[in-house]
Amino acid sequence: EVQLLESGGGLVQPGGSLRLSCAASGFSIRTYAMNWVRQAPGKGLEWVSGITSSGTKTDYADSVKGRFTVSRDDSRNMLYLQMNSLRPEDTAIYYCANPYTGFYGYIVNWGQGTLVTVSS
Amino acid sequence: DIQMTQSPSSLSASVGDSVTITCRASQPISDYCNWYQQRPGKAPTLLIYLASTLHTGVPSRFSGSRSGADFTLTIANLQPEDAATYYCQQGYSTPTFGGGTKVEIK
Repeated sequence: EVQLLESGGGLVQPGGSLRLSCAASGFSIRTYAMNWVRQAPGKGLEWVSGITSSGTKTDYADSVKGRFTVSRDDSRNMLYLQMNSLRPEDTAIYYCANPYTGFYGYIVNWGQGTLVTVSS
Repeated sequence: DIQMTQSPSSLSASVGDSVTITCRASQPISDYCNWYQQRPGKAPTLLIYLASTLHTGVPSRFSGSRSGADFTLTIANLQPEDAATYYCQQGYSTPTFGGGTKVEIK
């Protein structure tokens, strides 16, 4: 069974940093692009970041560009999101997501999400 | 970025009804429109990809279509378990989602 399990969320002060992790099981992420998608409380979905299967290309939403960095460790079957200079508007549930073809592709698998709260 | 304008933002219908949700892309996206269902407190799940292909395991009462830049999700014979929020998403370029449609069962 395919599973994506996020961790690393929590309460952080504005300007602070967090590193989210996503552990994949039931499949190898090695041949797949991977994404992060977030959802602010009571709001819609927002694509945050993507990384190609090779790890050589990444992309970010304008709202996080320059502050967030996505990376992967295929040997551990893990995806990461380093979030710096956090702002209150970054408060959201962050989902790890597995698109089918490239990080623009349709998302077939989603994690259960991890909540990030940015507040003083 | 390509905008996906989704309508309506909410609707209420009875069991057995047919409902339609529409997304309009701000630029041509070919068939790169996908639809997701999100039940309260849960992660989204894929319903339809590439405008009209039903994802594995999704009931056949869900269908998708495209007319130019307009994409439609239709739920026929609405069931109580269809109460959820539905999102379109374009995958032609940097992904963007529509604003969502909350479907309530009367």
